[in-house]
Amino acid sequence: QMQLQESGPGLVKPSGTLSLNCAVSGDSISSRNWWSWVRQPPGKGLEWIAEIYHTGSTNYNPSLRSRVTISVDKSKNQFSLKLTSVSAADTAVYYCARMPGAAAVHFDYWGQGTLVTVSS
Amino acid sequence: EIVMTQSPATLSVSPGERATLSCRASQSVSSNLAWYQQKPGQTPRLLIYGASTRATGIPARFSGGGSGTEFTLTISSLQSEDFAVYYCQHYNNWPAFGQGTKVEIK
Repeated sequence: QMQLQESGPGLVKPSGTLSLNCAVSGDSISSRNWWSWVRQPPGKGLEWIAEIYHTGSTNYNPSLRSRVTISVDKSKNQFSLKLTSVSAADTAVYYCARMPGAAAVHFDYWGQGTLVTVSS
Repeated sequence: EIVMTQSPATLSVSPGERATLSCRASQSVSSNLAWYQQKPGQTPRLLIYGASTRATGIPARFSGGGSGTEFTLTISSLQSEDFAVYYCQHYNNWPAFGQGTKVEIK
């Protein structure tokens, strides 16, 4: 059964770096799927952050590109997110998700989400 | 950048009634349109992809339609578990979501 599980600090200081991991089970990170991060500020809508293919191909939201890095670790069957220079506006529930197929255009499996608060 | 606009922002419907949600794209997205349901405190759930294909396990009362710039999600007879926020999402160079429609009990 396909599952994704986010992990990482729930509190990050302003100007610091947010780092999250997403462990994948029930599928191989090297399968023909793309892997994404999506976030949702409290009480607001969904915002896509970035996606990665196991070959290392990446795609970033233009509004976050300068601060975001997505990477994959095949040995651990997981992928990761780093967001630098965070502010209170980056406080959100962060979800990892799978985008099926090599020409992925939607999200079929989601992690439970992890709340990251940016505060001193 | 393609902007997705969902309407209405809030839809008040009685159980058993039909609900029709709209999603409009600022440019054509072909049929690369998906719909998600999100209940409070829960993860988004894929309902429809390819504008009209129901995802695995989604009841037949959910149907999607449209192409190009105009899309709809129809819930034929609202059940208590259907009251939630619904998001449309397109993919054109990158994924982007609409702002959501909240379906509430009338």
